[in-house]
Amino acid sequence: QKEVEQNSGPLSVPEGAIASLNCTYSDRGSQSFFWYRQYSGKSPELIMSIYSNGDKEDGRFTAQLNKASQYVSLLIRDSQPSDSATYLCAVASSGGSYIPTFGRGTSLIVHP
Amino acid sequence: EAQVTQNPRYLITVTGKKLTVTCSQNMNHEYMSWYRQDPGLGLRQIYYSMNVEVTDKGDVPEGYKVSRKEKRNFPLILESPSPNQTSLYFCASSPWTGGNTIYFGEGSWLTVV
Repeated sequence: QKEVEQNSGPLSVPEGAIASLNCTYSDRGSQSFFWYRQYSGKSPELIMSIYSNGDKEDGRFTAQLNKASQYVSLLIRDSQPSDSATYLCAVASSGGSYIPTFGRGTSLIVHP
Repeated sequence: EAQVTQNPRYLITVTGKKLTVTCSQNMNHEYMSWYRQDPGLGLRQIYYSMNVEVTDKGDVPEGYKVSRKEKRNFPLILESPSPNQTSLYFCASSPWTGGNTIYFGEGSWLTVV
């Protein structure tokens, strides 16, 4: 069974700090990696996708992928209280018909 | 506006009373799916559909049925709801050309008493 593991947290960081969220996955054939943000009681929304090794930056967000270590991370620079949410990692592979497997999410709290 | 619409958003029902949660998307997506989300358990897939008349079980299909007669609609049916089906349900869709974004509906809070 394909597994996607995340630390449930909560991860607490002060405003302005860098928040680092981590995700590991079991399927070596995984090809597509996503980070979704979910506010309490709301639906998940995509914030980053990454498909190749290395870093991908979008504003304050950086996704990092290391396929050899089966590890994907999300860095949030200059964290704001509005970033407080649960972050879901999702992983997909052609072997799984590209149906993503979601991790259970990491709760992030950014305190003023 | 591109969206996934599910109804009802909130429902309290009694054990054994059949109910249907509708889901419709206006993006002509091939892939649609239902998830339930429970505290500490994350998103768990109930059923999914790759296209019209093609459906398959996800991780937690017991107690649920689905159908995909039209591309835009993917209703979730609870034939005989039980209290353990109390949950937050999300419908989702995707163009599915290989690892694409999933678009989620706003969620349906279902309570079975």
